[in-house]
Amino acid sequence: EIVMTQSPATLSVSPGERATLSCRASQSVSSNLAWYQQKPGQAPRLLIYGASTRATGIPARFSGRGSGTEFTLTISSLQSEDFAVYYCQQYNIWPPWTFGQGTKVEIK
Amino acid sequence: EVQLVESGGGLVQPGVSLRLSCAASGFRFREHSMNWVRQAPGKGLEWLSYINTDSTTIYYADSVKGRFTISRDDAKNSVYLQMNSLRAEDTAVYYCAGDSGISDWFDPWGQGTLVTVSS
Repeated sequence: EIVMTQSPATLSVSPGERATLSCRASQSVSSNLAWYQQKPGQAPRLLIYGASTRATGIPARFSGRGSGTEFTLTISSLQSEDFAVYYCQQYNIWPPWTFGQGTKVEIK
Repeated sequence: EVQLVESGGGLVQPGVSLRLSCAASGFRFREHSMNWVRQAPGKGLEWLSYINTDSTTIYYADSVKGRFTISRDDAKNSVYLQMNSLRAEDTAVYYCAGDSGISDWFDPWGQGTLVTVSS
């Protein structure tokens, strides 16, 4: 099973600032990595797939990079609606599909 | 509008069974593999089960293997999760999620249904 590790667990950022979230895989997942955003009481929403491709309707301030075992999600200028929990997921080797434990982006 | 709507959750006692349903609309359901994912209170996402388009390939997480059964009915645009021998640790919000139709990331997701196992 591929273990996904996200850091930090919590990121405190002021509106308008940049946020950078990290995700590490226990073995290579190539570019088969997705990022999801989850707000309280809501289902996860796909942000990024293929490590760097934004899903339909996702603003350009969200960007993903990486391949192999190291990945980042960057939010270039945080808006109020971006404060949420973010999960990475590998879909290179399955089953199981595995998620990171999440990074909470909170208002500083 | 693409939509997945789960139902069937509730408060049950340990040891009983429950069947969750997920109804799809707004996309070609029969062309998508489907998954169930759960989230315990205050915790992260845990993949549980997968079923491919013709139900010939099914997978389960070790945590539910032998207790949960996934199935689908393309005539009803629905996927199901039969949960037997429920335990307190099965308490969670259960989401159905489709594959993208292109590759194996999850999109769309349903809004979730809460299952609480408690005596």
